[in-house]
Amino acid sequence: KNEVEQSPQNLTAQEGEFITINCSYSVGISALHWLQQHPGGGIVSLFMLSSGKKKHGRLIATINIQEKHSSLHITASHPRDSAVYICAVGLYYGGSQGNLIFGKGTKLSVKP
Amino acid sequence: NAGVTQTPKFQVLKTGQSMTLQCAQDMNHNSMYWYRQDPGMGLRLIYYSASEGTTDKGEVPNGYNVSRLNKREFSLRLESAAPSQTSVYFCASNTDRAPYEQYFGPGTRLTVT
Repeated sequence: KNEVEQSPQNLTAQEGEFITINCSYSVGISALHWLQQHPGGGIVSLFMLSSGKKKHGRLIATINIQEKHSSLHITASHPRDSAVYICAVGLYYGGSQGNLIFGKGTKLSVKP
Repeated sequence: NAGVTQTPKFQVLKTGQSMTLQCAQDMNHNSMYWYRQDPGMGLRLIYYSASEGTTDKGEVPNGYNVSRLNKREFSLRLESAAPSQTSVYFCASNTDRAPYEQYFGPGTRLTVT
Protein backbone atom coordinates (compact mmCIF):
# COMPACT_ATOMS: atom_id res chain seq x y z
CA LYS A 1 0.00 0.00 0.00
CA ASN A 2 1.35 3.42 -0.94
CA GLU A 3 1.96 5.68 2.01
CA VAL A 4 0.86 8.75 0.03
CA GLU A 5 -2.17 8.49 -2.21
CA GLN A 6 -3.32 11.23 -4.57
CA SER A 7 -6.56 11.57 -6.45
CA PRO A 8 -7.41 11.96 -9.20
CA GLN A 9 -4.46 10.73 -11.24
CA ASN A 10 -5.55 12.79 -14.24
CA LEU A 11 -7.79 15.83 -14.37
CA THR A 12 -9.02 17.85 -17.32
CA ALA A 13 -10.78 21.14 -16.65
CA GLN A 14 -12.10 24.10 -18.59
CA GLU A 15 -10.53 27.48 -18.01
CA GLY A 16 -12.16 29.19 -15.06
CA GLU A 17 -13.19 26.04 -13.22
CA PHE A 18 -12.48 25.43 -9.53
CA ILE A 19 -10.11 22.48 -9.13
CA THR A 20 -9.46 20.21 -6.16
CA ILE A 21 -6.68 17.65 -5.84
CA ASN A 22 -6.67 15.35 -2.84
CA CYS A 23 -3.87 13.70 -0.89
CA SER A 24 -4.15 11.09 1.84
CA TYR A 25 -1.26 9.69 3.82
CA SER A 26 -0.79 6.88 6.31
CA VAL A 27 2.33 7.86 8.24
CA GLY A 28 3.15 10.37 10.91
CA ILE A 29 4.57 13.48 9.32
CA SER A 30 6.47 16.61 10.17
CA ALA A 31 4.95 18.57 7.27
CA LEU A 32 3.09 18.11 4.02
CA HIS A 33 4.41 19.57 0.80
CA TRP A 34 2.65 20.42 -2.44
CA LEU A 35 4.93 20.61 -5.47
CA GLN A 36 4.36 21.58 -9.07
CA GLN A 37 6.17 19.92 -11.96
CA HIS A 38 6.05 21.88 -15.17
CA PRO A 39 5.75 20.20 -18.57
CA GLY A 40 9.45 20.92 -19.06
CA GLY A 41 10.24 18.82 -15.99
CA GLY A 42 11.26 21.40 -13.37
CA ILE A 43 9.87 20.95 -9.86
CA VAL A 44 8.98 23.85 -7.59
CA SER A 45 7.64 23.92 -4.08
CA LEU A 46 4.18 25.48 -3.75
CA PHE A 47 3.28 24.97 -0.11
CA MET A 48 4.55 23.40 3.05
CA LEU A 49 2.03 23.04 5.85
CA SER A 50 1.63 21.16 9.09
CA SER A 51 -1.79 22.53 10.07
CA GLY A 52 -4.67 24.63 8.83
CA LYS A 53 -4.67 26.41 5.53
CA LYS A 54 -2.36 28.45 3.32
CA LYS A 55 -3.15 30.65 0.34
CA HIS A 56 -0.94 31.96 -2.41
CA GLY A 57 -2.67 33.79 -5.19
CA ARG A 58 -5.25 31.44 -6.71
CA LEU A 59 -3.88 28.40 -4.91
CA ILE A 60 -5.13 27.22 -1.54
CA ALA A 61 -3.81 24.27 0.44
CA THR A 62 -5.51 22.74 3.47
CA ILE A 63 -4.57 19.93 5.80
CA ASN A 64 -6.49 17.91 8.37
CA ILE A 65 -3.95 16.21 10.60
CA GLN A 66 -6.51 14.03 12.39
CA GLU A 67 -7.86 12.66 9.10
CA LYS A 68 -4.39 12.55 7.46
CA HIS A 69 -5.72 14.37 4.45
CA SER A 70 -4.79 17.44 2.46
CA SER A 71 -6.35 19.23 -0.49
CA LEU A 72 -4.94 21.61 -3.07
CA HIS A 73 -7.47 23.96 -4.63
CA ILE A 74 -7.02 26.15 -7.68
CA THR A 75 -9.56 28.89 -8.18
CA ALA A 76 -10.32 30.37 -11.60
CA SER A 77 -8.06 27.84 -13.32
CA HIS A 78 -5.99 28.92 -16.32
CA PRO A 79 -4.18 26.96 -19.05
CA ARG A 80 -0.85 27.98 -17.46
CA ASP A 81 -1.86 25.92 -14.41
CA SER A 82 -1.45 22.79 -16.54
CA ALA A 83 1.20 20.72 -14.78
CA VAL A 84 1.67 17.71 -12.55
CA TYR A 85 0.90 18.44 -8.91
CA ILE A 86 2.72 16.28 -6.40
CA CYS A 87 1.91 15.74 -2.75
CA ALA A 88 4.77 14.74 -0.47
CA VAL A 89 4.99 14.14 3.25
CA GLY A 90 8.01 15.01 5.30
CA LEU A 91 9.52 12.55 7.73
CA TYR A 92 12.32 12.80 10.19
CA TYR A 93 14.94 10.07 10.25
CA GLY A 94 18.64 9.59 9.87
CA GLY A 95 19.49 13.06 11.06
CA SER A 96 17.70 14.73 8.18
CA GLN A 97 14.51 16.64 8.67
CA GLY A 98 13.65 16.87 5.01
CA ASN A 99 13.17 13.30 3.83
CA LEU A 100 10.03 13.16 1.74
CA ILE A 101 7.71 10.41 0.56
CA PHE A 102 6.00 11.37 -2.66
CA GLY A 103 2.63 10.64 -4.17
CA LYS A 104 2.48 9.67 -7.82
CA GLY A 105 1.19 13.05 -8.87
CA THR A 106 -1.95 14.45 -10.46
CA LYS A 107 -1.68 15.53 -14.07
CA LEU A 108 -3.83 18.60 -14.60
CA SER A 109 -4.75 19.91 -18.02
CA VAL A 110 -6.72 23.14 -18.26
CA LYS A 111 -8.34 23.79 -21.64
CA PRO A 112 -8.98 27.32 -22.89
CA ASN B 1 21.72 32.56 -6.49
CA ALA B 2 21.71 29.70 -8.97
CA GLY B 3 19.86 27.45 -6.50
CA VAL B 4 20.44 23.76 -7.28
CA THR B 5 22.34 22.97 -10.45
CA GLN B 6 22.80 19.58 -12.09
CA THR B 7 24.94 18.35 -14.93
CA PRO B 8 24.48 16.91 -17.44
CA LYS B 9 20.88 17.56 -18.53
CA PHE B 10 20.79 14.55 -20.86
CA GLN B 11 22.94 11.44 -21.15
CA VAL B 12 22.83 8.21 -23.11
CA LEU B 13 24.92 5.30 -21.84
CA LYS B 14 25.50 1.78 -23.01
CA THR B 15 24.95 -1.05 -20.55
CA GLY B 16 28.03 -1.44 -18.37
CA GLN B 17 29.34 2.10 -18.80
CA SER B 18 29.88 4.33 -15.81
CA MET B 19 29.13 7.96 -15.20
CA THR B 20 28.80 10.57 -12.46
CA LEU B 21 25.91 13.00 -12.11
CA GLN B 22 26.99 16.26 -10.55
CA CYS B 23 24.91 18.42 -8.24
CA ALA B 24 25.70 21.67 -6.48
CA GLN B 25 23.71 24.11 -4.36
CA ASP B 26 24.64 27.64 -3.33
CA MET B 27 22.12 28.06 -0.49
CA ASN B 28 24.38 26.72 2.28
CA HIS B 29 22.00 23.83 3.00
CA ASN B 30 23.17 20.91 5.07
CA SER B 31 20.79 18.29 3.61
CA MET B 32 20.96 17.11 0.03
CA TYR B 33 19.14 14.32 -1.83
CA TRP B 34 19.18 12.27 -4.99
CA TYR B 35 15.84 11.06 -6.37
CA ARG B 36 14.79 9.16 -9.44
CA GLN B 37 11.48 9.62 -11.22
CA ASP B 38 9.96 6.88 -13.35
CA PRO B 39 6.67 6.91 -15.29
CA GLY B 40 3.71 5.96 -13.12
CA MET B 41 5.74 6.17 -9.93
CA GLY B 42 6.43 8.94 -7.49
CA LEU B 43 9.86 10.33 -6.90
CA ARG B 44 11.94 7.79 -5.00
CA LEU B 45 14.89 8.55 -2.77
CA ILE B 46 18.18 6.98 -3.82
CA TYR B 47 20.60 8.47 -1.29
CA TYR B 48 20.69 11.46 0.98
CA SER B 49 23.24 13.41 2.94
CA ALA B 50 22.21 15.09 6.17
CA SER B 51 25.47 17.01 6.41
CA GLU B 52 28.92 17.29 4.89
CA GLY B 53 30.76 14.01 5.33
CA THR B 54 27.67 11.84 5.86
CA THR B 55 25.59 9.86 3.39
CA ASP B 56 22.82 7.31 3.85
CA LYS B 57 20.80 4.97 1.69
CA GLY B 58 17.27 5.79 0.70
CA GLU B 59 14.58 3.59 -0.78
CA VAL B 60 16.37 2.48 -3.99
CA PRO B 61 20.17 2.64 -3.50
CA ASN B 62 21.24 -0.50 -5.38
CA GLY B 63 23.54 0.21 -8.31
CA TYR B 64 24.47 3.71 -7.12
CA ASN B 65 27.13 5.36 -5.02
CA VAL B 66 27.31 8.92 -3.77
CA SER B 67 29.91 11.39 -2.54
CA ARG B 68 29.30 14.48 -0.47
CA LEU B 69 32.42 16.29 -1.63
CA ASN B 70 31.80 19.38 0.46
CA LYS B 71 28.79 21.31 1.72
CA ARG B 72 27.91 22.49 -1.79
CA GLU B 73 28.36 19.35 -3.88
CA PHE B 74 26.70 15.93 -3.85
CA SER B 75 27.45 13.56 -6.72
CA LEU B 76 25.75 10.34 -7.81
CA ARG B 77 27.76 7.62 -9.55
CA LEU B 78 26.57 4.71 -11.64
CA GLU B 79 29.44 2.22 -11.71
CA SER B 80 27.96 -0.17 -14.27
CA ALA B 81 24.83 1.23 -15.86
CA ALA B 82 21.85 -1.04 -16.49
CA PRO B 83 18.69 -0.42 -18.58
CA SER B 84 16.69 -0.42 -15.31
CA GLN B 85 18.51 2.78 -14.41
CA THR B 86 16.92 4.64 -17.31
CA SER B 87 15.13 7.43 -15.49
CA VAL B 88 15.06 11.13 -14.72
CA TYR B 89 17.30 12.00 -11.80
CA PHE B 90 16.72 14.97 -9.54
CA CYS B 91 19.02 16.45 -6.97
CA ALA B 92 17.49 18.50 -4.15
CA SER B 93 18.42 20.29 -0.98
CA ASN B 94 16.33 21.68 1.83
CA THR B 95 16.45 24.50 4.33
CA ASP B 96 17.81 23.64 7.73
CA ARG B 97 14.78 24.83 9.66
CA ALA B 98 11.12 23.83 9.62
CA PRO B 99 9.26 23.42 7.34
CA TYR B 100 12.33 22.24 5.45
CA GLU B 101 11.40 23.63 2.05
CA GLN B 102 12.97 21.57 -0.72
CA TYR B 103 14.66 23.05 -3.76
CA PHE B 104 15.09 20.86 -6.82
CA GLY B 105 17.60 20.85 -9.61
CA PRO B 106 16.42 20.80 -13.24
CA GLY B 107 16.89 17.05 -13.59
CA THR B 108 19.06 14.73 -15.68
CA ARG B 109 17.37 12.50 -18.23
CA LEU B 110 19.42 9.30 -18.45
CA THR B 111 18.87 6.56 -21.01
CA VAL B 112 20.77 3.27 -20.75
CA THR B 113 20.66 1.12 -23.89
